[in-house]
Amino acid sequence: GAVVSQHPSRVICKSGTSVKIECRSLDFQATTMFWYRQFPKQSLMLMATSNEGSKATYEQGVEKDKFLINHASLTLSTLTVTSAHPEDSSFYICSARDLAGRYNEQFFGPGTRLTVL
Amino acid sequence: KNEVEQSPQNLTAQEGEFITINCSYSVGISALHWLQQHPGGGIVSLFMLSSGKKKHGRLIATINIQEKHSSLHITASHPRDSAVYICAVRFRGYSGGSNYKLTFGKGTLLTVNP
Repeated sequence: GAVVSQHPSRVICKSGTSVKIECRSLDFQATTMFWYRQFPKQSLMLMATSNEGSKATYEQGVEKDKFLINHASLTLSTLTVTSAHPEDSSFYICSARDLAGRYNEQFFGPGTRLTVL
Repeated sequence: KNEVEQSPQNLTAQEGEFITINCSYSVGISALHWLQQHPGGGIVSLFMLSSGKKKHGRLIATINIQEKHSSLHITASHPRDSAVYICAVRFRGYSGGSNYKLTFGKGTLLTVNP
């Protein structure tokens, strides 16, 4: 099956700093990657959809200037949380959809736990 | 409104028991996913269904399109099956690419005791 990795798996940062999270599709090319956020005991909430070579599409209520998404290649998308605050502490998960459509589904990364002090 | 409902919210079982988790949705779908999330947080995709039934090891997933309902079954449950199981659907009307959005249920917390 297809594998999606995320880095880092866990990050702790001070309030006001920026944090970059990487999402990579390891053995397939992904035209589309999705970024989700999950607060404790809640379900995943889609933040944005990232298409290779174009601007991301953000869900309503998600600040695009705060959560910068770059999808520069078919195997890498990054999410940068700018000027992080404690309320940004959450579990961030990416998923990727296979370009060739072999699997016709999304594959999820292991997630990144962000703690902002 | 496109909604996904899961039941039960919490489920406790003894090792060896047969487990069923249910998922209902409101309107027509293109695909339904069953996902597993362990306490550490990482998500594993178990099944993707658009019709019928799929089996992988001790896990079985079924879907009834007419009734807008899917079930995930675990046979001979084991403590390592303890996790949150999440149903997610892609509602019909999304044409792929950036519209390939999933709507998630709230999850079912399964605890299997030895």
